[in-house]
Amino acid sequence: GAGVSQSPSNKVTEKGKDVELRCDPISGHTALYWYRQSLGQGLEFLIYFQGNSAPDKSGLPSDRFSAERTGGSVSTLTIQRTQQEDSAVYLCASSPSLGTGYEQYFGPGTRLTVT
Amino acid sequence: TQLLEQSPQFLSIQEGENLTVYCNSSSVFSSLQWYRQEPGEGPVLLVTVVTGGEVKKLKRLTFQFGDARKDSSLHITAAQPGDTGLYLCAGEGDYKLSFGAGTTVTVRA
Repeated sequence: GAGVSQSPSNKVTEKGKDVELRCDPISGHTALYWYRQSLGQGLEFLIYFQGNSAPDKSGLPSDRFSAERTGGSVSTLTIQRTQQEDSAVYLCASSPSLGTGYEQYFGPGTRLTVT
Repeated sequence: TQLLEQSPQFLSIQEGENLTVYCNSSSVFSSLQWYRQEPGEGPVLLVTVVTGGEVKKLKRLTFQFGDARKDSSLHITAAQPGDTGLYLCAGEGDYKLSFGAGTTVTVRA
């Protein structure tokens, strides 16, 4: 079956511009996560959605970052007024549900470069 | 600051040799997971360990969770070039994963 897909695979933008990154989770997965992976760093948790519950936004680094999940499926991560330090690979993962025992399946990521 | 410290950061060995990667933390986790990531792809789950002292074997890979559920190790026996990749440990707490910075393993033929 289809895995998690992300688009675009690469995005180059100028400092100060807004960007939108898209994630299509595995069908039927109620949990969706966003992570950021910078060079030489592990994955950094940003936000997760679970069903219709309020998302856990505790990992978002600033108010320039926001995310939505429409209809419990597709999610969009938006970064406003991009800065050079936002350059990283943004990874999305989905899971059948939250908690131990539910594997997270990762997409290939979107590589964001802010010039 | 990484919640989970992995060591070593880089490891280059000859095919057939053994290797161990360590993952340490001052925090207690509900579970600890090991992932392998290849260039241009997302991480893929190798194993989840839940119980303190637990040992899991996956072919030539052996995973151990510390008694206090704060640290873990990954041991690969008779490494092969196909084992090359970035190995990441991740601790689960409050439904979120905290990742280490990773260990880049290169197995030379």
